[in-house]
Amino acid sequence: GEDVEQSLFLSVREGDSSVINCTYTDSSSTYLYWYKQEPGAGLQLLTYIFSNMDMKQDQRLTVLLNKKDKHLSLRIADTQTGDSAIYFCAETVYQGGKLIFGQGTELSVKP
Amino acid sequence: DTAVSQTPKYLVTQMGNDKSIKCEQNLGHDTMYWYKQDSKKFLKIMFSYNNKELIINETVPNRFSPKSPDKAHLNLHINSLELGDSAVYFCASSATLDRNYGYTFGSGTRLTVV
Repeated sequence: GEDVEQSLFLSVREGDSSVINCTYTDSSSTYLYWYKQEPGAGLQLLTYIFSNMDMKQDQRLTVLLNKKDKHLSLRIADTQTGDSAIYFCAETVYQGGKLIFGQGTELSVKP
Repeated sequence: DTAVSQTPKYLVTQMGNDKSIKCEQNLGHDTMYWYKQDSKKFLKIMFSYNNKELIINETVPNRFSPKSPDKAHLNLHINSLELGDSAVYFCASSATLDRNYGYTFGSGTRLTVV
């Protein structure tokens, strides 16, 4: 079946690292994405990872994929107040197919 | 600017009315989508079109009718609006042969039915 789960809230101090976790059920998922949604705005693609990769790093962002456990995480280093937003994990089986989203994790960064 | 643009950004209407939301992308993508985000921020796909052909039609009331006049446009028409239709509707697009850019979303249309 198709199901993506995330914890709903995360609160961190400015300068700390944030880790947002996601689990998914569809073992045939090929593409996994992280999107950011700021208040009143659309979804901005942050990063993506293919299922044949374990890790991807992009500046302050590190994505880890444990395909055996169907677990995806997004680590944000040196979290800033501008990182406060809702972060969505999403999966698709093929490019062009429907994205299945998690419920979103609301990240709150305190100064 | 290259983007996915949707209009209007806000739509307030009475129950029973019919309304349309328009979406256009100039990214050269061949697939377009409509997603609904409810009050709990949950995002669910409604429809997907590839080169003007409907390929995904999730369990959506038939009061919702998508129309794709060409691969750069995907409009959503809603008949007999109900209170439960209040949500933010996002248009998105992707390129099936492009593995690098994911899906690009519009900024959303906030529909409020009163």
